[in-house]
Amino acid sequence: EAGVAQSPRYKIIEKRQSVAFWCNPISGHATLYWYQQILGQGPKLLIQFQNNGVVDDSQLPKDRFSAERLKGVDSTLKIQPAKLEDSAVYLCASSRDRVQETQYFGPGTRLLVL
Amino acid sequence: QKEVEQNSGPLSVPEGAIASLNCTYSDRVSQSFFWYRQYSGKSPELIMSIYSNGDKEDGRFTAQLNKASQYVSLLIRDSQPSDSATYLCASRDYSSASKIIFGSGTRLSIRP
Repeated sequence: EAGVAQSPRYKIIEKRQSVAFWCNPISGHATLYWYQQILGQGPKLLIQFQNNGVVDDSQLPKDRFSAERLKGVDSTLKIQPAKLEDSAVYLCASSRDRVQETQYFGPGTRLLVL
Repeated sequence: QKEVEQNSGPLSVPEGAIASLNCTYSDRVSQSFFWYRQYSGKSPELIMSIYSNGDKEDGRFTAQLNKASQYVSLLIRDSQPSDSATYLCASRDYSSASKIIFGSGTRLSIRP
């Protein structure tokens, strides 16, 4: 079974530029999560999708971050414009459903904003 | 108080000894707890979950939950250099069960 795929793996941009990350969850997983992990901290949930609907986006900075999962499969997270404090690893995870405990994480996208 | 709190470490343990990792939690989380292991530069992976008071054992790992004192711990017996990683304690948000809240992690180093 293929794992969660993410791209790109690394991205360097200047502040005020825009960037997009892509995630393809494990086949058949209805729930998809985007986390932000700043160095030295645990992952922080940004947004959670159940199929193509948003379950929780309470910690998503909506003035600059957006995410979509139009067909209920893969997802895109966008930052526009980026700030220095957005430098982090962006992790995508998926689970079979909302209450299933095991979330499977992708390799992450490491973002550096200069 | 943060929902889930951990000592950042680093915790250094000699090979073969028992490593003990601790986590405290607030009333804002539910009674489901998870331990994730994260190697440097890699993504987290679930190694243990515990829901009831007491101990739960899986191989060299034992998770302990004490609801009265609001702490959860992870013991690693016969520590190996390959256990060197950051261990993240996590729980479900009390108001949104599908949302997992992570602690900041404890860095564990097993010295040969």
